[in-house]
Parts: sequence; C-alpha cells; structure tokens
Amino acid sequence: NAGVTQTPKFRVLKTGQSMTLLCAQDMNHEYMYWYRQDPGMGLRLIHYSVGEGTTAKGEVPDGYNVSRLKKQNFLLGLESAAPSQTSVYFCASTEGSYGYTFGSGTRLTVV
Amino acid sequence: GDSVTQMEGPVTLSEEAFLTINCTYTATGYPSLFWYVQYPGEGLQLLLKATKADDKGSNKGFEATYRKETTSFHLEKGSVQVSDSAVYFCALASGTYKYIFGTGTRLKVLA
Repeated sequence: NAGVTQTPKFRVLKTGQSMTLLCAQDMNHEYMYWYRQDPGMGLRLIHYSVGEGTTAKGEVPDGYNVSRLKKQNFLLGLESAAPSQTSVYFCASTEGSYGYTFGSGTRLTVV
Repeated sequence: GDSVTQMEGPVTLSEEAFLTINCTYTATGYPSLFWYVQYPGEGLQLLLKATKADDKGSNKGFEATYRKETTSFHLEKGSVQVSDSAVYFCALASGTYKYIFGTGTRLKVLA
C-alpha cells in the first residue's frame, strides 16, 4: 500500500549512542516532517523539509539533525542520545493543504 | 501565531451515546481544518476535513462543520461504539505546508 514507512518500529539506546530513523514515502510528496509525541504534550514538530535538499527547524530541533538527499526519504538523526529523547517519533508527508499522511511511528527508549 | 485548542480529556461515554469534542482555532485567513484519529499503537489517520467556511466534513459517522463566526470545528457523532475509542486531534493548515495540531482528546467508550 502507498504511504509513509518508518524504520525501525522500536529501538532501545544507551545514553550517548547515536542512531538514524528512516522515513520513506512513495506518494511523490514535496513536504515531509518529523514529530515527537509525548504524553500530555500532543505532537511537537522537530524538523521539516519543503523539498529535496532542504531542511528547516521546527519547535524542538535541539539534539536532532535531518537530511533529505532524495525526495522520497527523510532521515532523522540523534548524534548523542539522551533520556529526554525517549518518545514516539512520527514522520508525515503532504503535497499541500490536503492533510498529512503519517507513518506508524518509532518508539524510542533511551536508558 | 496560529493555534488550535481542544477540550481536555479523557472523555468517557457509554456505547450509543452522543459525542462532541470541542475544537477552536486562531488563525489568519481561512485555513483548512482537519480531524485526525489515533488508535492505540498506531499513527494518526485523517478522519475528515473542511476547506472553507460552512463546509461539513464527514466520515465513518463523524461530522464537523467549519464555523468561521465562532472559529470552531467541533467533532460530533450520533452514536459511538467501543471501536471508536482512540485519541482525536484537531488540526489546521497554517500556510501551504505547515500544520498546527491540538493536544489531542482521548475518548473511551464503554460497552
């Protein structure tokens, strides 16, 4: 099925380790986003991209980096994981004002 | 800046009860409005949308009407089922490609 695919689905990291979350979409969408979801805080935008080769900061970008080398992929990196980055991460994409398509999420625990 | 406010949860109802989840917004212009639903362990799915004033979005028995005069987009369903138990998010399209989400309202339906 067409949509947004996130890998991995679950991950446990030790403090200080690094990792990359991959988001892939097959809908040829220009815009892609990374959010984190924490209890009681809804969705918070980490970084987003308005096209291949572009990235921009959202409201909570510290501790994360992103890259959009190919239109279909949007990578989220944690260089040195901290317990505060324990969260569920969602990727989304859209072509405009028609609504987002979300991935199924990555549950990350940093111990 | 643009913002979305939705009622605090959780909302607990008996099966076949009437549901209303309130959502109000602040925005410049006339943004598109959305309701998303998140079932346990899953990503957000678009439930319904409305793109201009007085539009009514509907899907799966849920409805919401875009009220410009009260800046509201309340979600309603005439008869809820246990399978409707989920978290519901109100959102608006802020510009072409950025969306603002409410904090979510958890609905629990008891048999």
